[in-house]
Amino acid sequence: AQSVTQPDIHITVSEGASLELRCNYSYGATPYLFWYVQSPGQGLQLLLKYFSGDTLVQGIKGFEAEFKRSQSSFNLRKPSVHWSDAAEYFCAVGMYNNNDMRFGAGTRLTVKP
Amino acid sequence: GAVVSQHPSWVICKSGTSVKIECRSLDFQATTMFWYRQFPKQSLMLMATSNEGSKATYEQGVEKDKFLINHASLTLSTLTVTSAHPEDSSFYICSARDPGRGYTFGSGTRLTVV
Repeated sequence: AQSVTQPDIHITVSEGASLELRCNYSYGATPYLFWYVQSPGQGLQLLLKYFSGDTLVQGIKGFEAEFKRSQSSFNLRKPSVHWSDAAEYFCAVGMYNNNDMRFGAGTRLTVKP
Repeated sequence: GAVVSQHPSWVICKSGTSVKIECRSLDFQATTMFWYRQFPKQSLMLMATSNEGSKATYEQGVEKDKFLINHASLTLSTLTVTSAHPEDSSFYICSARDPGRGYTFGSGTRLTVV
C-alpha cells in the first residue's frame, strides 16, 4: 500500500543552522514527490516537487530536496534556517493528476534564536 | 497510524447539482478538521476549518453558502458543494490532527462538474 513516513514529528534547530527533514515513501511505482509548508493559520504552500530528471530539486525559500530511489527517500534540506521558517512541513507523494495523493504526518519545525 | 478516510475519491456531477464529500477519522477523535482545495499545479488552499459542534471557520474568499461544512461528530466532517458549476471542478482534500501523531490527510476527492 502507498504510504509516506515522516519520522520526526517535531524538530528544533537554531537560527542559522542547517536543516534536514526526512521523508520516506512506499509506492508501487516511482511517484511524484512534493514538499509543502504550512505556516500557522495558513494553507499549504508548495515548496518544491519532483517529477523526473535531476534528482536534486531546488525550491522556493532556499529549500532543496534530493530524491534517492534506492532509499525511497525525498529529504528536504536548507543550509541556513531563518526564524521565519518555523512552520509545519508535509511530504506528499502521488500521481500527477493528484487522484491518489498521500501526505506524511508532518514535521513541526521550531527555530531557536 | 492515524487514518482519515475520504469519500468519494472521485465524482462527476452535472452542473447545478450538489455533491457531498465525507471525511472520517477512523481511529481517533478529531475536534477540528480542515478542508483544502487544490488547483492544478498549485498548492493546496485552505478553504475552511471545521469545528465539531459549531460553525466552520471559512477563509477569506470562500463562499460559505456554496461550500457547506458540517462537523456533527468527533469523527465525521462533510463538505457539500452546492449548485456546482464547472469552475468548482477541483481536487478537494481534508485533514485532521491527532495531537499525538500529527496531521493525517484524506486521499482526496477529484470533483468534475460537467
